[in-house]
Amino acid sequence: DQQVKQNSPSLSVQEGRISILNCDYTNSMFDYFLWYKKYPAEGPTFLISISSIKDKNEDGRFTVFLNKSAKHLSLHIVPSQPGDSAVYFCAANRGSNYKLTFGKGTLLTVNP
Amino acid sequence: DTAVSQTPKYLVTQMGNDKSIKCEQNLGHDTMYWYKQDSKKFLKIMFSYNNKELIINETVPNRFSPKSPDKAHLNLHINSLELGDSAVYFCASSQARVTVQFFGPGTRLTVL
Repeated sequence: DQQVKQNSPSLSVQEGRISILNCDYTNSMFDYFLWYKKYPAEGPTFLISISSIKDKNEDGRFTVFLNKSAKHLSLHIVPSQPGDSAVYFCAANRGSNYKLTFGKGTLLTVNP
Repeated sequence: DTAVSQTPKYLVTQMGNDKSIKCEQNLGHDTMYWYKQDSKKFLKIMFSYNNKELIINETVPNRFSPKSPDKAHLNLHINSLELGDSAVYFCASSQARVTVQFFGPGTRLTVL
């Protein structure tokens, strides 16, 4: 029972263009969402998060959008850089109950 | 100045053996976690400790036993290792009820 889904296993974009990574969830009780970035042989690194009371959160080149009615969130990276090439995980939490539920990840490749 | 560290990074062992993975965090957090990333790449929580007290225990075989000697350490002991235990195990920490979790680099366990 995948409560958090990242349906695109991979995405390839050109340097300087926008990368859009998508995430869908099924549990309407989720109220906090996070994006993590993971390089090979390293642990996931926190990137950006959003509370369900907001529909957008921005941090530099990274923006997360939340559409609660569609149970969908997306991560926009503008402009994309080769160093952004990594696996991006979407995660969700319900009521600060300590437990994060992760998606399967999307491998982003940014080509120079 | 590593925030969350794990040892060992790689662990290769025979079926039936007992092994331990150690985790330490120097972030001053009071909550620590163990996650398992299996061959399908899902990151799933196994255990969580808050102030040395077990607060999350997902459906994990009782061959897995976490131990938290203090708030900065959470070790994972695995008895009678099986082939299906092969995975990458990640330790993480957070401040209580703050959702952002910080991950260690992972321990790749291979059971032969």
